[in-house]
Amino acid sequence: AQTVTQSQPEMSVQEAETVTLSCTYDTSESNYYLFWYKQPPSRQMILVIRQEAYKQQNATENRFSVNFQKAAKSFSLKISDSQLGDTAMYFCAFMNPQGASGSRLTFGEGTQLTVNP
Amino acid sequence: DAGVIQSPRHEVTEMGQEVTLRCKPISGHDYLFWYRQTMMRGLELLIYFNNNVPIDDSGMPEDRFSAKMPNASFSTLKIQPSEPRDSAVYFCASSLRAGIDTQYFGPGTRLTVL
Repeated sequence: AQTVTQSQPEMSVQEAETVTLSCTYDTSESNYYLFWYKQPPSRQMILVIRQEAYKQQNATENRFSVNFQKAAKSFSLKISDSQLGDTAMYFCAFMNPQGASGSRLTFGEGTQLTVNP
Repeated sequence: DAGVIQSPRHEVTEMGQEVTLRCKPISGHDYLFWYRQTMMRGLELLIYFNNNVPIDDSGMPEDRFSAKMPNASFSTLKIQPSEPRDSAVYFCASSLRAGIDTQYFGPGTRLTVL
């Protein structure tokens, strides 16, 4: 079974600065997908960014980018120019498209990010 | 698009009562997922459907839980009888295809069982 680990329960950053959230995962599969979701106080789960394992290029979405290290099974999220609205719980998630449970998202424990003014 | 719609947003009930949570997926999405979020267990998949058919229900905790999808635009998750340990946030999500496309989540239903 796949596991996802987020070793930083809480982090804080000053507005306009850069912060990196860590995520590691364990799998024997070679084809899979990785995601970062954010959950603000409103509780809504919002997709931040996704990465296909077969792509060597790291995904970027505006101020959000990932550092995908397939051999190390590491998938960190970098937030540049942090904004107050980035304050949220961030979840790393893994999806193996193969098999009967191919659509199951496996989530990490989450990292609570606070952006300070 | 309105996104995934869930109702109610909050539900408070007493132990032993039946609880029904509702979900409307994004139009055109063939896959629907039910997740539960608790402090102890985090986010976990309960069940998912493809074209209204349950595909994987291995995450359903016990027989007190049941889920149906009578048509492409509606699904229910029922707990009967409810227990305090069922208190959690229940999310519904949908995606266009399985194993490839992003799952989009609804706002969740916060269930409290007294």
